[in-house]
Amino acid sequence: QKEVEQDPGPLSVPEGAIVSLNCTYSNSAFQYFMWYRQYSRKGPELLMYTYSSGNKEDGRFTAQVDKSSKYISLFIRDSQPSDSATYLCAMSASRDDKIIFGKGTRLHILP
Amino acid sequence: DSGVTQTPKHLITATGQRVTLRCSPRSGDLSVYWYQQSLDQGLQFLIQYYNGEERAKGNILERFSAQQFPDLHSELNLSSLELGDSALYFCASSVRGMLHTGELFFGEGSRLTVL
Repeated sequence: QKEVEQDPGPLSVPEGAIVSLNCTYSNSAFQYFMWYRQYSRKGPELLMYTYSSGNKEDGRFTAQVDKSSKYISLFIRDSQPSDSATYLCAMSASRDDKIIFGKGTRLHILP
Repeated sequence: DSGVTQTPKHLITATGQRVTLRCSPRSGDLSVYWYQQSLDQGLQFLIQYYNGEERAKGNILERFSAQQFPDLHSELNLSSLELGDSALYFCASSVRGMLHTGELFFGEGSRLTVL
């Protein structure tokens, strides 16, 4: 079993829809959770960073962590064509530990 | 622009050869991370350096090695290359310190093709 599982998609939704992206993980030591966005032919860039369980909101983006279920989610409201990218979840057990990434979900927002 | 520079951007070589990928982190960043990205495996952590010292190791093959130099730039050496080593290799750096804040700044990657 891989440490972090993420559906690769692709996921296609119409513009303006709410998008839900998810990851599951097996290592209960993970405490730091991140979502990165990667555009084609570019390196990933950080979108959201959360510690432990709970929700965090930043503009149209909301990250949720449920440590009891080992499940994290990213919600995108009012999705735009510019949100079309690959979204990678990432996790770490501590701030001086390596960051492990999921495989990424390819998202297409249809105009 | 993340401030992380990787060279070369593209590299085509033959099986059995050796290549060196170079990374310059953002000014002042002491930690450098190397990742390998392929379609089937996703973004795989290879190795991390902090201020010249190896800090963490992932599933890095014995044919691969890396180092971080006193000027903080890093090199990833890949030898006895196989077809399966074809991938995008990313370098990332993190904010000034050993403890990450979750934010890694990635370069644009070096695309390696082994024929």
